[in-house]
Amino acid sequence: GQNIDQPTEMTATEGAIVQINCTYQTSGFNGLFWYQQHAGEAPTFLSYNVLDGLEEKGRFSSFLSRSKGYSYLLLKELQMKDSASYLCAAHLLSGGSYIPTFGRGTSLIVHP
Amino acid sequence: GAGVSQSPSNKVTEKGKDVELRCDPISGHTALYWYRQSLGQGLEFLIYFQGNSAPDKSGLPSDRFSAERTGGSVSTLTIQRTQQEDSAVYLCASSPGPLSSYNEQFFGPGTRLTVL
Repeated sequence: GQNIDQPTEMTATEGAIVQINCTYQTSGFNGLFWYQQHAGEAPTFLSYNVLDGLEEKGRFSSFLSRSKGYSYLLLKELQMKDSASYLCAAHLLSGGSYIPTFGRGTSLIVHP
Repeated sequence: GAGVSQSPSNKVTEKGKDVELRCDPISGHTALYWYRQSLGQGLEFLIYFQGNSAPDKSGLPSDRFSAERTGGSVSTLTIQRTQQEDSAVYLCASSPGPLSSYNEQFFGPGTRLTVL
């Protein structure tokens, strides 16, 4: 199968740093997206990695290692509003097309 | 500007009935995606369109599901003879072109389908 694995739930303290990991099947891979989804709302785009390395965007950074089939999303200076589900999505080849394949999401709870 | 819109926002139907869900993508976006999200689950890819063509229909759960897109814009997802396991939030997303670092997906608010 084309499993995308990420932790189900994480908790962290306001102001802290948290790293959410994601692993995926490497065959037919063409990029990795991270999305944020607040309860009852649609997902919103956070970041995209296609090459190895770190992409930084404000408080959020995303890292990719293609050879290891591994990515992480790093959230710094956590705020209460960061409590949400974080979805990892790998572009994987299926039937001749690259299809976004999502993990189940990591529910992040930020507490005071 | 206008984002992706979906209608209806909520749909309650009886088992065995047909339902049609609509998605209006952002104007000019050539790629359109349908997903299903059940409670506590990730997004399940159903189908995507590049223009009016659907290169990959393998994500559709059964032959009761079909989708079309006309004029490179509006898309409809039809579920025939609905079953209780079809209950979920159906999300639509659009993208200016093939997904890449320059082309992200923009999601609509979803249609919550409940099959009684």
